[in-house]
Amino acid sequence: GAVVSQHPSRVICKSGTSVKIECRSLDFQATTMFWYRQFPKQSLMLMATSNEGSKATYEQGVEKDKFLINHASLTLSTLTVTSAHPEDSSFYICSASGDSLSLHFGNGTRLTVT
Amino acid sequence: QKEVEQNSGPLSVPEGAIASLNCTYSDRVSQSFFWYRQYSGKSPELIMSIYSNGDKEDGRFTAQLNKASQYVSLLIRDSQPSDSATYLCAVNTYNAGNMLTFGGGTRLMVKP
Repeated sequence: GAVVSQHPSRVICKSGTSVKIECRSLDFQATTMFWYRQFPKQSLMLMATSNEGSKATYEQGVEKDKFLINHASLTLSTLTVTSAHPEDSSFYICSASGDSLSLHFGNGTRLTVT
Repeated sequence: QKEVEQNSGPLSVPEGAIASLNCTYSDRVSQSFFWYRQYSGKSPELIMSIYSNGDKEDGRFTAQLNKASQYVSLLIRDSQPSDSATYLCAVNTYNAGNMLTFGGGTRLMVKP
């Protein structure tokens, strides 16, 4: 089955620093990748849609200057949380799809900002 | 009204029983429907997809879709404690590309 690799799985950073999260589709080409955020006991919230070679489309309320998304190739998208603050602490999950409409998720990144 | 709605639960069933999880959606042009299972602290994993009205079975799981009534359900037969998780319903519309809209999830607890 389709495999999506997300790295790192867990990161702790200090307030004001930036964190980069990578999402790779290992055995298929993903023209579109999605970035989600999930707070404890809440559902997935779509942050942005990342298209290879073009600017990401951000959902309402998501600051594009704070959450930088780069989708440089058909197998790699990155999310950079800039100037992170404690309220950015969350579970960040990427997903990608190949030929089928079903999404395959990465294992998620647990971000803790101290 | 939320686009995809699920009862948050928890839904508690005894081991060996049938667990029934329900989901309703508001967009009539929705085309594809998915059930994901998410264990605490983990990312969702795809269990079932269904595109046509009726039932689709895969092992202990059966997805049911009724487009006229705009609901999709997931039945888990012979529930096991390892099935305890949050189950997310997701819906895709034709003109949304591969973007899914997720429900809030139903937490299932299977008691030994």
